[in-house]
Amino acid sequence: QQQVKQSPQSLIVQKGGISIINCAYENTAFDYFPWYQQFPGKGPALLIAIRPDVSEKKEGRFTISFNKSAKQFSLHIMDSQPGDSATYFCAATLPSGSARQLTFGSGTQLTVLP
Amino acid sequence: ETGVTQTPRHLVMGMTNKKSLKCEQHLGHNAMYWYKQSAKKPLELMFVYSLEERVENNSVPSRFSPECPNSSHLFLHLHTLQPEDSALYLCASSPGGGAYLYGYTFGSGTRLTVV
Repeated sequence: QQQVKQSPQSLIVQKGGISIINCAYENTAFDYFPWYQQFPGKGPALLIAIRPDVSEKKEGRFTISFNKSAKQFSLHIMDSQPGDSATYFCAATLPSGSARQLTFGSGTQLTVLP
Repeated sequence: ETGVTQTPRHLVMGMTNKKSLKCEQHLGHNAMYWYKQSAKKPLELMFVYSLEERVENNSVPSRFSPECPNSSHLFLHLHTLQPEDSALYLCASSPGGGAYLYGYTFGSGTRLTVV
């Protein structure tokens, strides 16, 4: 099973608040978990990624928390800003030679109110 | 621009038309992908090319036909589409081997409307 389940579908946060998006996976062979950010009219862009041997990764205001035993990972956006308003996708990939195929979650539409 | 360019940005076509979507990357990546993005659904992988060879075809209807003439170009040929094929079609590329940690680079997509 290669499904990645993402929640919530939409999220509204006040400026300065914390945005939290959750994902769960089933296939324990996944070995790379990226998050993508997509603005309207643009393709998704890599935001931050983590490997399952690490429990947390932080880049600026963005943090991934990873719970291998629960097969869950989440994105935390600290001090959320209106410019963070976008659709966020979690993803997972299997080790497979030269072409890694990403399996995406269904996306979370984040709105940060000024 | 991300380094992956898709043309056209918008396309309206009738169900009997034949059209092609084009994707071009000059990032030196050796894998290219077509994804379909529909509203409120996960991005769906359609085709994968690695070093110009197709390595995956996820049960995509034959009315979609990919072509990868070289490592920098990818096409999606369309014919006799259905209205439910209306979606955003995204092209992506990625480096090979251990460089996958740098992730995919997506183009901005082609918004396709089938009438």
